Amino acid sequence: NAGVIQTPRHKVTGKGQEATLWCEPISGHSAVFWYRQTIVQGLEFLTYFRNQAPIDDSGMPKERFSAQMPNQSHSTLKIQSTQPQDSAVYLCASSPGLGFQNTLYFGAGTRLSVL
Amino acid sequence: QQQVRQSPQSLTVWEGETAILNCSYENSAFDYFPWYQQFPGEGPALLISILSVSNKKEDGRFTIFFNKREKKLSLHIADSQPGDSATYFCAVATGGNNKLTFGQGTVLSVIP
Repeated sequence: NAGVIQTPRHKVTGKGQEATLWCEPISGHSAVFWYRQTIVQGLEFLTYFRNQAPIDDSGMPKERFSAQMPNQSHSTLKIQSTQPQDSAVYLCASSPGLGFQNTLYFGAGTRLSVL
Repeated sequence: QQQVRQSPQSLTVWEGETAILNCSYENSAFDYFPWYQQFPGEGPALLISILSVSNKKEDGRFTIFFNKREKKLSLHIADSQPGDSATYFCAVATGGNNKLTFGQGTVLSVIP
């Protein structure tokens, strides 16, 4: 089991460009989460899916950010018109289900740098 | 408004000492408290967790002490090793789902 796979590991974009981040959850896991990590804000929840359905996107900036899970084997986080303040490490996590008995397993993250 | 606070921001201990990391939270509805460990270049990984029905949880050298009334908990790392040098995050959730809210983290350095 390779764990949660995130690609690319590093992405550099120019201000105003679009960035798409990919996540492959652990096979058989039904829940997928996206977090953003910065030095200033720490680990911030963005959104999560269960069985591919969006459940909670309360942490997503309302403009420019969108997430999808078209099938059980991958999820994408898309940022349109990237801004320097979007620079962060974006972490994807998956878990077998919901509830405290289901551990969140994190990927190594995608470091996004917006110039 | 920060729902989860951790202290200290950074901590340095000698090898063999006990490191104590503190965490407090605002919302009494939280009932699941995991601690995650993160090494540079990696994602956080679950270290140990406790439910609000317990006041202590041990796993090897790692112990959580939980005080529900004061809404505080602490992670004790006994016999600290240089390999324990990492950032430790306290997180909270309600047991019905595992959407975690994290503290800002404590950077632990263990000097050989």
